[in-house]
Amino acid sequence: DGGITQSPKYLFRKEGQNVTLSCEQNLNHDAMYWYRQDPGQGLRLIYYSQIVNDFQKGDIAEGYSVSREKKESFPLTVTSAQKNPTAFYLCASSIGLAGVYEQYFGPGTRLTVT
Amino acid sequence: QQQVKQSPQSLIVQKGGIPIINCAYENTAFDYFPWYQQFPGKGPALLIAIRPDVSEKKEGRFTISFNKSAKQFSLHIMDSQPGDSATYFCAASKNGGSQGNLIFGKGTKLSVKP
Repeated sequence: DGGITQSPKYLFRKEGQNVTLSCEQNLNHDAMYWYRQDPGQGLRLIYYSQIVNDFQKGDIAEGYSVSREKKESFPLTVTSAQKNPTAFYLCASSIGLAGVYEQYFGPGTRLTVT
Repeated sequence: QQQVKQSPQSLIVQKGGIPIINCAYENTAFDYFPWYQQFPGKGPALLIAIRPDVSEKKEGRFTISFNKSAKQFSLHIMDSQPGDSATYFCAASKNGGSQGNLIFGKGTKLSVKP
């Protein structure tokens, strides 16, 4: 069963704690992405990675960190430096076909920090 | 220049109606325009996408119309059903989305009444 999995579905943390969100894909896609979604907002890109051991900052990378040690895995750490971490986090992956990179999303993780 | 403006913010139609969602962009370098459908608590699902070399694309009941000179594109849903009730996002990207730079609109919440 191919797809993108994110765990956990819901995550609760106290302010000041770092937390790591998991994203795994078995689609053999080269590129992976992390987005943040807030109510009434579109998706905003946090980080993306086009190949293993390489990643680039997106529009809102401050307070976040990532790693890409394996093709199928792209974990996101929300650090205590992120001022408003409560949000819905979405992971996506893509592969280039005929010059187009269609992005496919996982089910998301809702993070609540109190 | 990086924005994608989506309207309306919300839309209510009767079953069988044809909701139309509009998006406008500024960056003439954009060359890939996907639409995503998102149900509450789920990740967005790719619905349909268009490149600027065509003015219209149909997939089932979903149609994208693209006006390159006006820098606008729209989603039409034919014979809408209550199951189409969801939030729809347009997006745009350069280079077919190869660099992870999908720019999303803020979304349109569609409600189809039975």
